[in-house]
Amino acid sequence: NAGVTQTPKFQVLKTGQSMTLQCAQDMNHEYMSWYRQDPGMGLRLIHYSVGAGITDQGEVPNGYNVSRSTTEDFPLRLLSAAPSQTSVYFCASGNTGELFFGEGSRLTVL
Amino acid sequence: GNSVTQMEGPVTLSEEAFLTINCTYTATGYPSLFWYVQYPGEGLQLLLKATKADDKGSNKGFEATYRKETTSFHLEKGSVQVSDSAVYFCALRDSSYKLIFGSGTRLLVRP
Repeated sequence: NAGVTQTPKFQVLKTGQSMTLQCAQDMNHEYMSWYRQDPGMGLRLIHYSVGAGITDQGEVPNGYNVSRSTTEDFPLRLLSAAPSQTSVYFCASGNTGELFFGEGSRLTVL
Repeated sequence: GNSVTQMEGPVTLSEEAFLTINCTYTATGYPSLFWYVQYPGEGLQLLLKATKADDKGSNKGFEATYRKETTSFHLEKGSVQVSDSAVYFCALRDSSYKLIFGSGTRLLVRP
């Protein structure tokens, strides 16, 4: 019963460093997405994908890259981290019904 | 564009009190509507959903009715428990797969 798995759960970066948040799902979902959660702002969509090889921007894409080479994986890359990217990141996947969320990755950029 | 507005929290209630969390939306077409719940330290879980006007979603004693005439999807529960303390998110999904969330409402239930 893995569902949506995110790694790492916690990460501290210095400004300018790069890193990748990993997301994997084992439910054969075509749709995958990344959200960030900030206090008082709910969840905001960063990038999403409707299938392997297809990605698109959400509401707040700047500073983030994604790719979708397989149905299962949807990594989120921060090329040059900034303090404004301190947040909790959630990966979610689904088909036509509900979205299933990972447990989140808490990122702090110093 | 599409958007969701929900009442600001926190909402603090005593156990067994009646709960209402207001949610209104702006959307073109006929979106599906959802309530998600987030317990401390966890990801979001689907609580209930409704896919067309006048549908009522229900789960774990919670209910919400899709009201197209008032563009609302208010969450209600007749008798809350301490274990219901969490953050509740209203969300809509339009013709794409994208889910658009409200800002969340924190509920604190005191014994």
